[in-house]
Amino acid sequence: GAVVSQHPSWVICKSGTSVKIECRSLDFQATTMFWYRQFPKQSLMLMATSNEGSKATYEQGVEKDKFLINHASLTLSTLTVTSAHPEDSSFYICSAKPGTSADTQYFGPGTRLTVL
Amino acid sequence: AQSVSQHNHHVILSEAASLELGCNYSYGGTVNLFWYVQYPGQHLQLLLKYFSGDPLVKGIKGFEAEFIKSKFSFNLRKPSVQWSDTAEYFCAVSTTGTASKLTFGTGTRLQVTL
Repeated sequence: GAVVSQHPSWVICKSGTSVKIECRSLDFQATTMFWYRQFPKQSLMLMATSNEGSKATYEQGVEKDKFLINHASLTLSTLTVTSAHPEDSSFYICSAKPGTSADTQYFGPGTRLTVL
Repeated sequence: AQSVSQHNHHVILSEAASLELGCNYSYGGTVNLFWYVQYPGQHLQLLLKYFSGDPLVKGIKGFEAEFIKSKFSFNLRKPSVQWSDTAEYFCAVSTTGTASKLTFGTGTRLQVTL
């Protein structure tokens, strides 16, 4: 149980275009989902916390207009990287927290974004 | 804000050797502690967690960790590693009463040789 999927697993796009990444909890309802960014050989940095039906809470230094997060249902959150630039190239990982679990997050497989 | 330090960046062990990975955190209040593992090409998986109670926590695949509050530490141990334990290990902390935000350490790359 507690499976989280992400789609796509990798994407290559041109500079200036927008890319949408989906995060789904497959076998549980997730009231809260999180979006992380992982640079090569570095740790995960939390970008934002997404709560179903409300606006996301962004971490300091993360541009909310650039990284649009929507949590439309209890099983789906999306991250849209708008007007992507090469410096946005990274590994984006989502996690989901079941409503009944105090603090355990379950992670998706990640999405590799490459902006040319 | 809390922070997490993992001092071992890259550890190389032979099979059957014992493992201990260090994790220290800084936060004055109550914390929840986690160890996650990321096998090559795979997603993060929870190894074990500590919320309260017995400070010695046993996880999957023979791993255990001990919470020492006075040292702000949560070191990961395994008595005998296997080649299949080759992976990246992340220590993480969340504070209670917040939105369960996880703060990760920088990770330790474990390489187990045959």
